[in-house]
Amino acid sequence: KAGVTQTPRYLIKTRGQQVTLSCSPISGHRSVSWYQQTPGQGLQFLFEYFSETQRNKGNFPGRFSGRQFSNSRSEMNVSTLELGDSALYLCASATGGLSYGEDIQYFGAGTRLSVL
Amino acid sequence: QKEVEQNSGPLSVPEGAIASLNCTYSDRVSQSFFWYRQYSGKSPELIMSIYSNGDKEDGRFTAQLNKASQYVSLLIRDSQPSDSATYLCALNQAGTALIFGKGTTLSVSS
Repeated sequence: KAGVTQTPRYLIKTRGQQVTLSCSPISGHRSVSWYQQTPGQGLQFLFEYFSETQRNKGNFPGRFSGRQFSNSRSEMNVSTLELGDSALYLCASATGGLSYGEDIQYFGAGTRLSVL
Repeated sequence: QKEVEQNSGPLSVPEGAIASLNCTYSDRVSQSFFWYRQYSGKSPELIMSIYSNGDKEDGRFTAQLNKASQYVSLLIRDSQPSDSATYLCALNQAGTALIFGKGTTLSVSS
């Protein structure tokens, strides 16, 4: 069974640009969550999508958005990039997601975004 | 107060020793707890999950949960150099988010 696939693996952008990251979950998983990981703040929850609907959202500005398609694939978009957006962006998939407290989240390899 | 707190380390243990990793949390509502391992440059992978008070064992790993004290720990017996990684404690915050600690770096010397 294939794992969580994130593309691209690396991205270099400049301030003010926008970027779209993609995540394909494990087959059969309907929940996709996105996280930002930085050395200073650690792993922080961005949002969760389930059945094409955003179900939960972390404390990030509106420049961070996402969507989920009918095949459960998800995209995350960051507009008007800032230097502080440089981070490893991870997505995780789960069967039922965060509402099922015991559900396990499986992480992809991540997209390393550098903003210059 | 931070929601999930871990000692950043590094925690250094010799090969074959027991490594003890600790985590405290502030949200009394949380019911589900997870330990993830993250090697440098890699993504987190699940080591253990625990939902009830007490101990849960899986091979060389034992997770301990004490909800009254708001404390979760991970014991690694017979530590190996391959266990050297950052260990992340996480909790499911009332079904709305997975909240992570900043991680404890473990170094096992041979």
